[in-house]
Amino acid sequence: GDSVTQMEGPVTLSEEAFLTINCTYTATGYPSLFWYVQYPGEGLQLLLKATKADDKGSNKGFEATYRKETTSFHLEKGSVQVSDSAVYFCALRTNAGKSTFGDGTTLTVKP
Amino acid sequence: DTGVSQNPRHKITKRGQNVTFRCDPISEHNRLYWYRQTLGQGPEFLTYFQNEAQLEKSRLLSDRFSAERPKGSFSTLEIQRTEQGDSAMYLCASSSGQGVDYGYTFGSGTRLTVV
Repeated sequence: GDSVTQMEGPVTLSEEAFLTINCTYTATGYPSLFWYVQYPGEGLQLLLKATKADDKGSNKGFEATYRKETTSFHLEKGSVQVSDSAVYFCALRTNAGKSTFGDGTTLTVKP
Repeated sequence: DTGVSQNPRHKITKRGQNVTFRCDPISEHNRLYWYRQTLGQGPEFLTYFQNEAQLEKSRLLSDRFSAERPKGSFSTLEIQRTEQGDSAMYLCASSSGQGVDYGYTFGSGTRLTVV
């Protein structure tokens, strides 16, 4: 079946540091890939997506590239801010029905 | 667009009682999903609807769980004879489009505590 593996957290960074959160997947089909973010006290929000190999999704300074050869979709940001503190979920979708989510990575950014 | 609305936000119930949650999706979204999330885990798929039709149901969903989406608008998720293991955050999401390229819009969830 489909599965998503995220790097274990929590991750603690200083403001303006470079961020990478690793995500790898296994899928029976040809998935679309997503990153969702959950800020404290809020619901999950779609952050970015990529729908085919070598696509780069980007939003709010975050980027992730769909790497079919390594089955990865790592999330990166060049300079994090305190307001980026949240839980980040990687997810995949191979049909119009369900998505499969990773267990989330908690990011804390300190001033 | 008021987003996806879930009610109630919190529910505390005694073991063995029945509970019902409601989800109002974004009005133009024809797909509606229910997920369950426990602490430290990602959302786990329960079921989904396209309009009023329930198209997929997780094998993890026991027969104590039932969901409906009458008239393809709001949806309800009912849990009968609740157990302590049902304590979790129940998330509703909606999506437009027919394919796999569309992400979800999530509601804020209903947190269920079974005592």
